[in-house]
This record gives sequence, structure tokens and C-alpha cells, in this order.
Amino acid sequence: DSGVTQTPKHLITATGQRVTLRCSPRSGDLSVYWYQQSLDQGLQFLIQYYNGEERAKGNILERFSAQQFPDLHSELNLSSLELGDSALYFCASSPSGRAGNIQYFGAGTRLSVL
Amino acid sequence: ILNVEQSPQSLHVQEGDSTNFTCSFPSSNFYALHWYRWETAKSPEALFVMTLNGDEKKKGRISATLNTKEGYSYLYIKGSQPEDSATYLCAFLPTSGTYKYIFGTGTRLKVLA
Repeated sequence: DSGVTQTPKHLITATGQRVTLRCSPRSGDLSVYWYQQSLDQGLQFLIQYYNGEERAKGNILERFSAQQFPDLHSELNLSSLELGDSALYFCASSPSGRAGNIQYFGAGTRLSVL
Repeated sequence: ILNVEQSPQSLHVQEGDSTNFTCSFPSSNFYALHWYRWETAKSPEALFVMTLNGDEKKKGRISATLNTKEGYSYLYIKGSQPEDSATYLCAFLPTSGTYKYIFGTGTRLKVLA
């Protein structure tokens, strides 16, 4: 168990809908990362937060947004969902915002858009 | 566009065999390389963080080397066991100042008993 908690584990929804994925980092970790893994693709970096502030942005669509709250948990909001958004979404945390820190991954949320 | 490639894509070995696989990354603007082990139905677990050219890291029967000048890292598993079956991912981090990790697609290892 990495100590990173993601909810829900599975989510099934329809095109056009909006969902929120939640991540609680390991106790004491200040940095949270979000990744997307689609079929036959590697993990794609979406966004990183450090202590409540956005630190880095990857290939995140405009329909997606995220935030990190004062208690350090993070939410990834996906809106106007399309079939192609079906994927495994991982959250990871690390102790500080330092580049190169080990990341601890949650178990992921599997999103199915029908 | 920065690209990270892993080879081979998949590998079957017999229990007791030693094996190795490769992660290739851009040799310029290197900051760090991570190796992760990802078992089916679980989450990726960090194995090594490598930052210096010539680094060698070891964890039990698994070890890794790093060559930043030529842009590759090798992961070695000595005396493979069925429990080593997993996907092994590498993640490249370009020069400090960016936090955008670029992951390879992984090498899927299956160790046959």
C-alpha cells in the first residue's frame, strides 16, 4: 500500500457528462501529480500541484481541470466527456516539489465513458 | 518532442534466467530517470531514482545503470522469479525547472516457472 488513496476505483458515465476524481496524498507529501493511461499508451503526465499551487502542466485538455486543497487532497475534474477520455487515471504524490523525488502512486480510477 | 523508448516491449524468460532491458531517452537536458515496477492490478512502485552519469543502483536481485551521455539506462534482473513478472517502466525528467515526467510504454516481463 503506497499510502495514496484514490476514489472512486471505477466510474462509468455517459458522453457529455462531468466527473470528479479524488486523490489523497501520503501523509506529509506536499506534491500531487495526475496521469492518464489510455489503451496501449504509456502514462501521460497531466498536471502537478505543490502545496496548493499549480507547478507544471502537461498534455491536459482544456475540458479538464484540477486543484489541490488546503488539506492537500486533490481533485481532477473532467467535463464534456468524450469516448476517448476512457482511461485509467493515476494520482501520485511526493514529499516535496523537488524534481526527481520518488513518486508514490495510488491504485488509479478507471473511467469508462459510454 | 521528447521521446522515451523502452525495449523490448515484452519478454518471456524461464525461472532462474537473468535478463535485462533498456530505456532510451534524449541525452541532452537530462535531470533524472526513474524506474518503476508495475504489477497487474496494482499501482506503479518506484524502484530507483537515478541522477548521475555512471550511477549504479541495486535492490536485491534488481539493479540499474545509467549513461546520460549516450541516453540510456539498463535494468537487470538476476535469477528471475515468477514474482518478478510485471511491467517495468522508466520515466525521464528533463532539465530541472520542468516537472513533466515522460514515461516510456514499459517492458512487460513474464517469468515462467
